[in-house]
This record gives sequence, structure tokens and C-alpha cells, in this order.
Amino acid sequence: GQQLNQSPQSMFIQEGEDVSMNCTSSSIFNTWLWYKQDPGEGPVLLIALYKAGELTSNGRLTAQFGITRKDSFLNISASIPSDVGIYFCAGPPRGGGADGLTFGKGTHLIIQP
Amino acid sequence: DVKVTQSSRYLVKRTGEKVFLECVQDMDHENMFWYRQDPGLGLRLIYFSYDVKMKEKGDIPEGYSVSREKKERFSLILESASTNQTSMYLCASRTSRNTEAFFGQGTRLTVV
Repeated sequence: GQQLNQSPQSMFIQEGEDVSMNCTSSSIFNTWLWYKQDPGEGPVLLIALYKAGELTSNGRLTAQFGITRKDSFLNISASIPSDVGIYFCAGPPRGGGADGLTFGKGTHLIIQP
Repeated sequence: DVKVTQSSRYLVKRTGEKVFLECVQDMDHENMFWYRQDPGLGLRLIYFSYDVKMKEKGDIPEGYSVSREKKERFSLILESASTNQTSMYLCASRTSRNTEAFFGQGTRLTVV
């Protein structure tokens, strides 16, 4: 079945730094989604990507759909304290159709004062 | 604005109790999902439903059941709660045409 490897597992950064994380899959994807989960809350969709090579921004966040269609990247510029949380990548339904999405294990972003 | 609402943010239940977790979405989505989230294990799919009265097992259905009597509502049932079901439970929904899923705020269940 589809597997997603998300890295790094954790990031400890200083406020104002840029952040990069990525996700790779064992198979070709036609969709990449990026979610953010604040502590104690449900994940919120940040960016959706549907085309190889696509680069999409949402404020200080930029995500890219890798041209091999097996990876995706999320960058956060000039991090601020509210960026703290877990960032998940997700791909298309595992079995197709109505099945659940394929999720990475998440990247924990921690910002040190 | 899309809305998935879970009935409780926090629940504490005793071992052996029957527990109902409710989820309602107002987006007329066909597909609904229940996940549990545990540290180091990520999101694991318990059950999903693609239509009213339809349900499919996910990766970890043991000890759980679901009900979908109306399109907007998807209930997760713990028949006899056990301490290893202490977890964060997340409901999600999406249309049958799109991949993007929308999550509720989560229910943190503690079984004592």
C-alpha cells in the first residue's frame, strides 16, 4: 500500500527562521495536501496541490508538488510563535474512491524564544 | 465556511461503559471518517462511510462500531470502553469528487 515518509520528525527553531519540511511517497501521487494541527485541535487544511511542479503559496507558507510526483515540500518563511504545531502531509485515498487519505506521521515544529 | 463539529472536546469514561462520539458536517459531504491519533503513531483510520447506512472498516476497527443514519451525521461507538482506547479522536469529511478532507476539532477521550 501507499506509504508516506515525512521529515524531519521534529524541528526546533528560533523565531524568525525559515522552515523546510518534506514528504516522500513510495508511489506516484496525483494530489498532495498539507495540514497543520494546533495543540489540542483538529488538523486544518493549509494547501492543496494537484499538478506536478505546482508551487502554491498561502501567506508565509509555500508548498510544491515534486516533479517526480513522489514528493512534496512545505516551506514557512520568517516563523512566528503561532506557527507551532504539527504539520502533516497527505496524499490521495489509499484504496481509491471513498477510502481515507494517506497521511505522513507529521513534523513537530517547536519555536524557541 | 466548512464545518465539521464533534459533540465533545473532552470526555472521561469508565472502563466497560458504552461511549458515543458524534460528528456532524454541514457541507453535504458523502464521505465521512473516524481517526484516532496517538503520539508516535500518527492518524489511524478506524472506520469510514461513503453514504448513508454504508460503512467500511479502516485499519483499526476492533472495539469500535459506527452508525450513519443521516448524511450529515457519523457516530463512533465504543461498545465497551477500555483504557487502551484513551486517545484523541478525529472526525473528517469530504466530497466524493475531491480529495480535500476537513476535520473536526477533536475529542480527547480518557478511559479510567
